[in-house]
Amino acid sequence: DTEVTQTPKHLVMGMTNKKSLKCEQHMGHRAMYWYKQKAKKPPELMFVYSYEKLSINESVPSRFSPECPNSSLLNLHLHALQPEDSALYLCASSQPDRDTEKLFFGSGTQLSVL
Amino acid sequence: GDSVTQMEGPVTLSEEAFLTINCTYTATGYPSLFWYVQYPGEGLQLLLKATKADDKGSNKGFEATYRKETTSFHLEKGSVQVSDSAVYFCALRPTGFQKLVFGTGTRLLVSP
Repeated sequence: DTEVTQTPKHLVMGMTNKKSLKCEQHMGHRAMYWYKQKAKKPPELMFVYSYEKLSINESVPSRFSPECPNSSLLNLHLHALQPEDSALYLCASSQPDRDTEKLFFGSGTQLSVL
Repeated sequence: GDSVTQMEGPVTLSEEAFLTINCTYTATGYPSLFWYVQYPGEGLQLLLKATKADDKGSNKGFEATYRKETTSFHLEKGSVQVSDSAVYFCALRPTGFQKLVFGTGTRLLVSP
């Protein structure tokens, strides 16, 4: 199984809602990532978990809250988002500490904030 | 800081034409270099990679050579197909860091 699975594929939420994005992989990877991609832009790194511990937070607003409950799962909890947070949210995984290794990406969650 | 610069798109070609997408980078040390492809509505897929100077990555007819002297990693394909239409991202992974730094992406449109 060489897939990273993200759910839901599409999400529409209001600015007062609380929702969560989910990501799962069964490749034994111990590094997992959240990226944000606006239309016609490159992905921007948000968070990195390495061995289930947060290792990189790229100064993301606190309305985004990541969680890594185990080595296969990664969540992104959303609360009080703004319309400008509408984007494609991509999850990825890799082996940590091996910077020649590629990242495996999921197909993303397309988020619209109304 | 580390950065990647790609040529502006879109690149519009006819089927069977030769493709070049330019990519140059700025980084300290010896980063690994990657090309990722993104089809509409999907995530990114690794196309090819190179981990040291003069390495050539290749996959599905695409090639790119890690040129340290010119800090470049240009993507080439001898004969493009309509199915190659997508956005192509050049990326680097700095030595010892867990993050990928992406270029802005180049959209390729191939017409029959």
